[in-house]
Amino acid sequence: SQTIHQWPATLVQPVGSPLSLECTVEGTSNPNLYWYRQAAGRGLQLLFYSVGIGQISSEVPQNLSASRPQDRQFILSSKKLLLSDSGFYLCAWSAVDRGPHEQYFGPGTRLTVT
Amino acid sequence: QKEVEQNSGPLSVPEGAIASLNCTYSDRGSQSFFWYRQYSGKSPELIMSIYSNGDKEDGRFTAQLNKASQYVSLLIRDSQPSDSATYLCAVNIKSGGGADGLTFGKGTHLIIQP
Repeated sequence: SQTIHQWPATLVQPVGSPLSLECTVEGTSNPNLYWYRQAAGRGLQLLFYSVGIGQISSEVPQNLSASRPQDRQFILSSKKLLLSDSGFYLCAWSAVDRGPHEQYFGPGTRLTVT
Repeated sequence: QKEVEQNSGPLSVPEGAIASLNCTYSDRGSQSFFWYRQYSGKSPELIMSIYSNGDKEDGRFTAQLNKASQYVSLLIRDSQPSDSATYLCAVNIKSGGGADGLTFGKGTHLIIQP
């Protein structure tokens, strides 16, 4: 069965510090991978989308970036965090052997920028 | 702006009754529709997917889709206190950047009263 991991689970970082969040998926090959952010009082917002190694689509202009160095690894980064980067960061995957557009979420990383 | 709209609630339902959750979407080209359940502090969990007009039943859950009215609903029969959560409606909407992600409503907070 498929499993998705995210770490760390929680993170408190000062403004201006760098960020690296990691997501890995087990039990499936060549998944589509997604990064979402859920900020307080707002809905889930799609940040990045990847269909394969090195292939990243960015949905929202921001100071965040994403990379996919391996088939089942997705990394979210920032060089300098802003207060507005606080939120619940969720990685999700989808695969061709599931229903169209079905996405499954990891446990998430709760980021507080102070 | 392509959107998904939900009543934020809270929607309070007595235990054992039917809970009815509603969602409207703006993009007539959408093909895939989902309901996710999110407990406080946790990540969203996929509970129903529906792709064609009509009803789809899975246990105590029934999803209903009306593409002409751009309307999706979720019925929960025999509501249990464990059903208390925020329910997110999600729709596949092609973004301006071409990504094939999901657009989420802000969710309806459901409270099942014992």
